[in-house]
Amino acid sequence: AQSVTQPDIHITVSEGASLELRCNYSYGATPYLFWYVQSPGQGLQLLLKYFSGDTLVQGIKGFEAEFKRSQSSFNLRKPSVHWSDAAEYFCAVGPTGFQKLVFGTGTRLLVSP
Amino acid sequence: KAGVTQTPRYLIKTRGQQVTLSCSPISGHRSVSWYQQTPGQGLQFLFEYFSETQRNKGNFPGRFSGRQFSNSRSEMNVSTLELGDSALYLCASSGEGQGLETQYFGPGTRLLVL
Repeated sequence: AQSVTQPDIHITVSEGASLELRCNYSYGATPYLFWYVQSPGQGLQLLLKYFSGDTLVQGIKGFEAEFKRSQSSFNLRKPSVHWSDAAEYFCAVGPTGFQKLVFGTGTRLLVSP
Repeated sequence: KAGVTQTPRYLIKTRGQQVTLSCSPISGHRSVSWYQQTPGQGLQFLFEYFSETQRNKGNFPGRFSGRQFSNSRSEMNVSTLELGDSALYLCASSGEGQGLETQYFGPGTRLLVL
């Protein structure tokens, strides 16, 4: 069965420091991989996606992610975190039947001054 | 283009009642998916509609149902509400030419069952 693991429930990063959020997936074929961000009380905003091609993917808000097939990982990175990046981040894999996405449990990012 | 819109944004119901939530996809999108988000279970797929047909369904009881209209707008219905149905219900749309499998989410409807 397809699954996504985000091992870190909470992460605290100082403003201006670099960030890496981990995501490991289990999928039988070449996956489509996504990172979404959710601010409190809001829906999900797409940060970036990987379908094929270049394994380093650039997204919005200065985020990037690298697909590593050998490690079944799709970690999200940002070189310098801003206070406005505080939110919950979800990794997802698809398709698992048309448009069905399987999400990880999320990582809540706290940004300290 | 306007994003995905969901109505109502907040809803309070009591056990045993039924509820209908509405989702309007991005213009031109033909696929609408629904997800339930709870603190305990996270984000779980409910079902997906494309061109008025349900193409995929998650592992939810039959109390959860949906439909899609010819203009791609979708509704989901939950009958005989239970306390555990309290959740944020998210709708997502995707469409041909937008990038396969890329789903764009609405702000959600927060349902509280008392």
